[in-house]
This record gives sequence, C-alpha cells and structure tokens, in this order.
Amino acid sequence: DSGVTQTPKHLITATGQRVTLRCSPRSGDLSVYWYQQSLDQGLQFLIQYYNGEERAKGNILERFSAQQFPDLHSELNLSSLELGDSALYFCASSASLDSLDRFFGPGTRLTVL
Amino acid sequence: GEDVEQSLFLSVREGDSSVINCTYTDSSSTYLYWYKQEPGAGLQLLTYIFSNMDMKQDQRLTVLLNKKDKHLSLRIADTQTGDSAIYFCAESYGGATNKLIFGTGTLLAVQP
Repeated sequence: DSGVTQTPKHLITATGQRVTLRCSPRSGDLSVYWYQQSLDQGLQFLIQYYNGEERAKGNILERFSAQQFPDLHSELNLSSLELGDSALYFCASSASLDSLDRFFGPGTRLTVL
Repeated sequence: GEDVEQSLFLSVREGDSSVINCTYTDSSSTYLYWYKQEPGAGLQLLTYIFSNMDMKQDQRLTVLLNKKDKHLSLRIADTQTGDSAIYFCAESYGGATNKLIFGTGTLLAVQP
C-alpha cells in the first residue's frame, strides 16, 4: 500500500460526459502528479501540482483540467469525453517538488462507451 | 523527441537472471528510473541511477547505464515468480526531476 488513495476505482460513462477523479496523496506529501495509461499511448505524464499550484504540464488535453486543494487532495476533471479517453488514470505523490521517489495510487479505470 | 523504448516481452525460468533493456533519447536526463507494475496495481519505484554513474547495484537488482548509447538495462538476479510484472524505465525529461517520460513497458513472465 503506497498510501496514495484514488476514487473511484472504476468509472463507466458515455461519450460527451464529464467525470471527476479524485486523489489523496500520502500524508505529508505536497506534490501530486497525474498520469494516463492506455494501450496505444503507454504511460503519459499529464500534470503536476505542488502545494496547490500547477508546476509542470505534460500531454494534457485542453478538455482535461486538474486542481489541488488546500488539504492537498487533487481532482482531475475530464470533459467532453471521447472513446479514446478510456484508460487507467494514476495519481502519484511525492514529498517535495523534485523528489526522486514517487508513490503511485492504484489508479482509476475509466471506460467511455 | 521523447521516446523511451523497451522490448515488449521477456520470459525466463525461475532462478535465471533477467535482463530488461531500455533506450532513451534525452541526453540531458539527470536520473533514469526503473518502476515495477504488478497486475491491478500502480507503479512502484524499484531503483534509479544518476546520469554520471555507469552502474548501480541494489540486492538482486543491477542497473547499467551506457550514456553514450543512451541505453539502460535492469538485471534481476535469481528471478522469482513474484518478479512477474511489467517493468518501466523512465527518464527525467529535460533534466527536470519532476517530469518523467516512461518507456513502453516490458512484461516479464517468470516460469516456475
């Protein structure tokens, strides 16, 4: 158990819909990262937040957004969903901005029908 | 580019050594990493190597880095069935430790 929790575990929705994925980092970790894992794209870095502020951006679509709240939990919002958005979405946390060690949550499996 | 490539599949017998290979593209990567993903779970950091090192050993794991060829390998000695998983190498893109680019993953199957 990495100490990172993600909800929900599974999510099934339809094209065009909007969903919110939630992540609670390990206790004391200030940095949260979001990754998307799909069969065709592999594991892609989406975005990083540190202590409430966006710090790095990867291959995140404009239809996707994220935020980190004062209690350090983070949410990833996916809107206007397409079939190709079906993937595993992982959250990871680390103690500081440039920690080498990153602790991954169990992921949320999103299926868009 | 940001491609990190790995072979897709490796099958070994229990007790043998496994060698998983990775090629990366960014010569400014400060650190290179190996992660393990077990079925239904998130990624777990196994080990990492600083870019100015050639080798790092950690119990059954040996990481070799050939910076000239941008080649990274992970050797697992005395491979066990519990080592069956997908192994990802990753590079810290642009030298920034916060942005990791992951490889395509290698599925290691350990036969008893």
